[in-house]
Amino acid sequence: SQELEQSPQSLIVQEGKNLTINCTSSKTLYGLYWYKQKYGEGLIFLMMLQKGGEEKSHEKITAKLDEKKQQSSLHITASQPSHAGIYLCGAIGEGSSNTGKLIFGQGTTLQVKP
Amino acid sequence: DTAVSQTPKYLVTQMGNDKSIKCEQNLGHDTMYWYKQDSKKFLKIMFSYNNKELIINETVPNRFSPKSPDKAHLNLHINSLELGDSAVYFCASSQVHEKLFFGSGTQLSVL
Repeated sequence: SQELEQSPQSLIVQEGKNLTINCTSSKTLYGLYWYKQKYGEGLIFLMMLQKGGEEKSHEKITAKLDEKKQQSSLHITASQPSHAGIYLCGAIGEGSSNTGKLIFGQGTTLQVKP
Repeated sequence: DTAVSQTPKYLVTQMGNDKSIKCEQNLGHDTMYWYKQDSKKFLKIMFSYNNKELIINETVPNRFSPKSPDKAHLNLHINSLELGDSAVYFCASSQVHEKLFFGSGTQLSVL
């Protein structure tokens, strides 16, 4: 079965610093989603990547999918306290393209110190 | 208006009890899901319904029974609750091939 591994598992950065979170899949990714979760809240959709080499940005967050479609990175520029939370990557599992089932990585907890 | 709403937000109960969590979406999506997030924040799918029909049923104890009265609702009933059932349960909905919209979660604590 397909698995997603995120690194690092947790991250503490000083406000204003840049950071990167990685998501590696054991199999080819057919769609890669990035979500953010704040404590006590649901998951908020950030970005979706589908094509090898694709890159998307929203405000200070950039996500990339590598050419081989097995790894994605999420980069935050000039981090702010509002970026704190748990970042999860999710992917459509192999054989699940007709169900929309997403499998998730274990999450990366980000703390941003003012 | 909340797109995916689930109730209750918190549920504290004794072992052996039966409880239900309700979920409703007003997005007109055909597919709804239940996910479980454990204490390590790992999010795992439990069930998925498409137009009231069960399409995903992961390895979940049969004490868990989803029910979809219509495509806007997917409820989760849990019988004979155990300590290990303590987790945050998320409802979600989507159109197939599109992003999932999540509810805010139900924190279940079994004592």
